[in-house]
Amino acid sequence: QVQVAESGGGVVQPGGSLRLSCTASGIAFASYAMHWVRQAPGRGLEWVSVISFNGSKTFYADSVMGRFTISRDNSKNTVFLQVSSLRVDDTALYYCVVPGHGGELEYWGLGTLVTVSS
Amino acid sequence: DTQMTQSPSTLSASIGDRVTVTCRASQNIDTWLAWYQQKPGKAPKLLIHKASNLEDGVPSRFSGSGSGTEFTLTISNLQPDDFATYYCHQYDTYPLTFGGGTKVEIK
Repeated sequence: QVQVAESGGGVVQPGGSLRLSCTASGIAFASYAMHWVRQAPGRGLEWVSVISFNGSKTFYADSVMGRFTISRDNSKNTVFLQVSSLRVDDTALYYCVVPGHGGELEYWGLGTLVTVSS
Repeated sequence: DTQMTQSPSTLSASIGDRVTVTCRASQNIDTWLAWYQQKPGKAPKLLIHKASNLEDGVPSRFSGSGSGTEFTLTISNLQPDDFATYYCHQYDTYPLTFGGGTKVEIK
């Protein structure tokens, strides 16, 4: 059974930073790309970033490019999202997602809430 | 970027109805399209991948079709558990993108 668990969210002032973490179990973690998707309160889903299975490739949404950094530690089955230069509109529930074999977003965690407020 | 336009944004229906949600991609995505169901306070749940492939455990009243730029999600014989918000999602190219969502409400 695949389990995904995010942590690291919190309340931060505009311009601040946080490091989100995600651990996944029940899969051969080092064989999977990993995604982050966010959802602002009362809004739709927004894809944020992906990292390849070995960390050699990363992609970002335009809205977070240059401010967010995704990384991973396969020895700890963990993926990270460093979120910096935070803005009020970055306030959202951040989900970590394991893709299926075709690339669809298959296994979702419960999310970690990031609130950016002064 | 590939824009995903989903319609309608809200749909009112009754138990037993057949409902259809439409998703249009701004460019050809072949069949690299998924549908998700989300209930309040819960994470999205993958229903359909590759446009028409039902996930294990998803009731057969759900079906998906389409290719290229036009896709549909159909729920036949709507059940109480189906009242939720549905999202389409293209995973053909980065950045990945989602439709704006369709909230299925009780009429």
